Amino acid sequence: NAGVTQTPKFQVLKTGQSMTLQCAQDMNHEYMSWYRQDPGMGLRLIHYSVGAGITDQGEVPNGYNVSRSTTEDFPLRLLSAAPSQTSVYFCASSTEQGGQKNIQYFGAGTRLSVL
Amino acid sequence: GEDVEQSLFLSVREGDSSVINCTYTDSSSTYLYWYKQEPGAGLQLLTYIFSNMDMKQDQRLTVLLNKKDKHLSLRIADTQTGDSAIYFCAEGNDYKLSFGAGTTVTVRA
Repeated sequence: NAGVTQTPKFQVLKTGQSMTLQCAQDMNHEYMSWYRQDPGMGLRLIHYSVGAGITDQGEVPNGYNVSRSTTEDFPLRLLSAAPSQTSVYFCASSTEQGGQKNIQYFGAGTRLSVL
Repeated sequence: GEDVEQSLFLSVREGDSSVINCTYTDSSSTYLYWYKQEPGAGLQLLTYIFSNMDMKQDQRLTVLLNKKDKHLSLRIADTQTGDSAIYFCAEGNDYKLSFGAGTTVTVRA
């Protein structure tokens, strides 16, 4: 059971470049979220989705876009990377159903540097 | 997150108990969580507690919840070197969690 898979694990971008961070889960979870982790600040919610076709903004959405065309995938797009977006990005999924209700499962993270 | 606060560092001797404290502000949260992050890894759920419980014990882990003071603690008994990590307190619902800044626990011999 792969759980939550994030790609790539590492990425270096130049200011102004665009890229997409991939996230996929194989647990049929309806909820998916993107967080960024910065030193001394814990994790902050960027965007989340409660189901295919439905997304909403979290605490720090500026500079990021998301879409949810399938239950499995929740990509995060940086349209024009800025040094302030240097961070570690985590994707998570969860469900309202069954014994794992209300538990978020996290991917291993993508470490992004913007020069 | 600004709604969840925890101390940043804890140093403990191997074999002693560790206690990590957390305060939160959202009294409507149904669940409160403790996650563990080892270097270079993602977050691993350690344990969680329903907001209507006072205590939960799971092997070496004991979670205490004081709803009146909005205070959550995690006690690790017989702390081992493998317990060295960052521990995050979190509150919220299943797709929107607010995290503390994390407590870095260092276990010394």
